[in-house]
Amino acid sequence: SQKIEQNSEALNIQEGKTATLTCNYTNYSPAYLQWYRQDPGRGPVFLLLIRENEKEKRKERLKVTFDTTLKQSLFHITASQPADSATYLCAPHSGNTPLVFGKGTRLSVIA
Amino acid sequence: DTGVSQDPRHKITKRGQNVTFRCDPISEHNRLYWYRQTLGQGPEFLTYFQNEAQLEKSRLLSDRFSAERPKGSFSTLEIQRTEQGDSAMYLCAISPGQGTDTQYFGPGTRLTVL
Repeated sequence: SQKIEQNSEALNIQEGKTATLTCNYTNYSPAYLQWYRQDPGRGPVFLLLIRENEKEKRKERLKVTFDTTLKQSLFHITASQPADSATYLCAPHSGNTPLVFGKGTRLSVIA
Repeated sequence: DTGVSQDPRHKITKRGQNVTFRCDPISEHNRLYWYRQTLGQGPEFLTYFQNEAQLEKSRLLSDRFSAERPKGSFSTLEIQRTEQGDSAMYLCAISPGQGTDTQYFGPGTRLTVL
């Protein structure tokens, strides 16, 4: 069955550093991979989408990579700020099935 | 603002009662999804609609759950004879339903079954 693993339940980093979150998947051949941010008590918010033929995608301080050989996506937040503290969810997607989300990684950026 | 409202935001009920949640997209989108999320987990797919048609239901959706989207706009999710295990956040999401299926979530309804 399809399985998604996000590197850890929680990640603590100091303000100004780069946060790197990992999403690994098995038994999947996703055409896309999406990343969402979720704050406590709120619905997820779409951040970035990367396609299987794209190695890297950037948006402001965010960068996502997608390695279909390793079956892994990395999500980077550079110059992290306390406001970046949230849970980040990945969702590999084949394009014709409902989204399946990982459990998420809770990021805490400490001032 | 994601363009999706959900009502109520919180619901506390006793075991065995029926509850109904509503999802209202502000703008028209082809697809509407329902998810359930428990603490420490990602959202889990329940069901989705393409316009009025309910196209897929998860095995998580027991016979006590029913969803409708009567006019292809708003949707309701009803849970009959609630159980404590139904306690969760119920999320609604909309999508253009094309290609990448990027989804825009509402704020969710938090259900507590006592």
